[in-house]
Amino acid sequence: GQQLNQSPQSMFIQEGEDVSMNCTSSSIFNTWLWYKQDPGEGPVLLIALYKAGELTSNGRLTAQFGITRKDSFLNISASIPSDVGIYFCAGQPGGYGNKLVFGAGTILRVKS
Amino acid sequence: DAGITQSPRHKVTETGTPVTLRCHQTENHRYMYWYRQDPGHGLRLIHYSYGVKDTDKGEVSDGYSVSRSKTEDFLLTLESATSSQTSVYFCAISAGTSGVGEQFFGPGTRLTVL
Repeated sequence: GQQLNQSPQSMFIQEGEDVSMNCTSSSIFNTWLWYKQDPGEGPVLLIALYKAGELTSNGRLTAQFGITRKDSFLNISASIPSDVGIYFCAGQPGGYGNKLVFGAGTILRVKS
Repeated sequence: DAGITQSPRHKVTETGTPVTLRCHQTENHRYMYWYRQDPGHGLRLIHYSYGVKDTDKGEVSDGYSVSRSKTEDFLLTLESATSSQTSVYFCAISAGTSGVGEQFFGPGTRLTVL
């Protein structure tokens, strides 16, 4: 089946640093979504992207839909402690039912 | 808040017993989904529904069945639970009328099969 490769698997952040993560696929996607999950909770939608080349911001978060439609990235600027958690990308390949394919997640931890 | 609740939130059961998880939504969305989440795998689609009595299989549907007799409820059943079905289960709805667009998730059910 379709797979998303999400990287990095984990990273440590220091308050104030910028953070980048990305997802790539061998397949084309019509929609890219980015979610954040805190421990014990469900994923929360951060940003949705619908067009190739689209660049969308949500506060300190910026995400882009790759021109080839096979990748997307998420940037977090000036990170703060509450940014820790797991970030997931998800792609919708199109077709009936809006089925999403998820990356394995990027774990953000605080550097002590 | 997409008005999604899941019950139970936690369950411990024994191998071979049947288990039913419930997802309830309050906003009359047509599309509903069941995912499981395991370390290193992200979320994987089990089954989804595109209307009352209309369901279809996802990526990891073996050992699971679903039912949707009312718009607001989507049930996931493990007919005979196995240890490999120990996981966190999430229900989601799609806010798009044609199924395209964002999905919003419930709080999850942690299931342990001993």
